Amino acid sequence: DGGITQSPKYLFRKEGQNVTLSCEQNLNHDAMYWYRQDPGQGLRLIYYSQIVNDFQKGDIAEGYSVSREKKESFPLTVTSAQKNPTAFYLCASGRGERSPLHFGNGTRLTVT
Amino acid sequence: SQQGEEDPQALSIQEGENATMNCSYKTSINNLQWYRQNSGRGLVHLILIRSNEREKHSGRLRVTLDTSKKSSSLLITASRAADTASYFCATDANNDYKLSFGAGTTVTVRA
Repeated sequence: DGGITQSPKYLFRKEGQNVTLSCEQNLNHDAMYWYRQDPGQGLRLIYYSQIVNDFQKGDIAEGYSVSREKKESFPLTVTSAQKNPTAFYLCASGRGERSPLHFGNGTRLTVT
Repeated sequence: SQQGEEDPQALSIQEGENATMNCSYKTSINNLQWYRQNSGRGLVHLILIRSNEREKHSGRLRVTLDTSKKSSSLLITASRAADTASYFCATDANNDYKLSFGAGTTVTVRA
């Protein structure tokens, strides 16, 4: 089955530690996205990539970093510089501009 | 930045009833999409309506778009318990293809 896999589902980290969230897709989509979702709020775009080896900052990129070395993979690192990292993180992919997005089932990150 | 805003924030209905939720946005759009999110899961794409379309159907879903009022509505007919979820609208502005999501409407369907 084609889809997007995010791992792990739950992640716990101590404050001050960097943590990397995995996102893999086998849909052959060019575009990949990372969103953050806080309780009762909509999704906010962190980073996106339209093509391998290229990515752009979204609306809330501070404290995050990404890489896009392979078409299938778009890992997100939450650095210690992110002031409020506890959230639900969603990865998505799409065929290109303006196309519907396919989402993974998210990673819930808790930092204490 | 969040462009879409859904209304109401929450909706509780009896199984078999219809559920209607609205989305308003600020700037001109290319298309508008609706997504569903079950608790603790990712979003699932439901329907896309282009700016030159006024109404679209998909199964029990009916979406309308009024670009003059910058608003859209999602109607779920004959609701089922499985329709319990949060529903989000997402828009892409004419000058920016990135999707902007609203805060969502949480729908609870009571048996």
